[in-house]
Amino acid sequence: DAMVIQNPRYQVTQFGKPVTLSCSQTLNHNVMYWYQQKSSQAPKLLFHYYDKDFNNEADTPDNFQSRRPNTSFCFLDIRSPGLGDAAMYLCATQGDRGATNEKLFFGSGTQLSVL
Amino acid sequence: GESVGLHLPTLSVQEGDNSIINCAYSNSASDYFIWYKQESGKGPQFIIDIRSNMDKRQGQRVTVLLNKTVKHLSLQIAATQPGDSAVYFCAEKGLSGGSNYKLTFGKGTLLTVNP
Repeated sequence: DAMVIQNPRYQVTQFGKPVTLSCSQTLNHNVMYWYQQKSSQAPKLLFHYYDKDFNNEADTPDNFQSRRPNTSFCFLDIRSPGLGDAAMYLCATQGDRGATNEKLFFGSGTQLSVL
Repeated sequence: GESVGLHLPTLSVQEGDNSIINCAYSNSASDYFIWYKQESGKGPQFIIDIRSNMDKRQGQRVTVLLNKTVKHLSLQIAATQPGDSAVYFCAEKGLSGGSNYKLTFGKGTLLTVNP
């Protein structure tokens, strides 16, 4: 059974056209993360939520925003996608940010193409 | 135009051989380490973890070794199978800004198992 679900699996958008990626979880985890992964590179953390507390990484562009309306759902909004934003976007959850031995559970990712 | 991407370190082994994948980390404050396996087009999948108060941990066909002196982590896979072919990432967690715990991925290694 899928525990972290990302939709859609593939997303195509046009240069400059806003796009939203979604993530849902059935684990009731406190923490949800968004990572960006470009081809042949390691996942790079964009931001995370601890409950409703939003934590942005210092080098995440303003073009990327996130919303978490409830425990189960988290959205990644790209306001004006550029060609350089084409990547796999990974959502992950964790049970408790303060527990150092809590592993992250990842979704299957959304592959974003920008035309 | 031609696309340019980073090339992952690669390891090619014969089916049935043992594999050793290495990882160097930089943050001496990291206290928890994880190995993830990522198959093409999928999200990272947890393999095994280890805390900084240990130097070895074994799972099913996998062993993780931690050398804190030289900040080195390795993943050993016994009797490697074709289904083990994937990119393997090490990741570290440690304090990052107060009470935040951030998972940082190292460079991946592409493991190819030849039948």
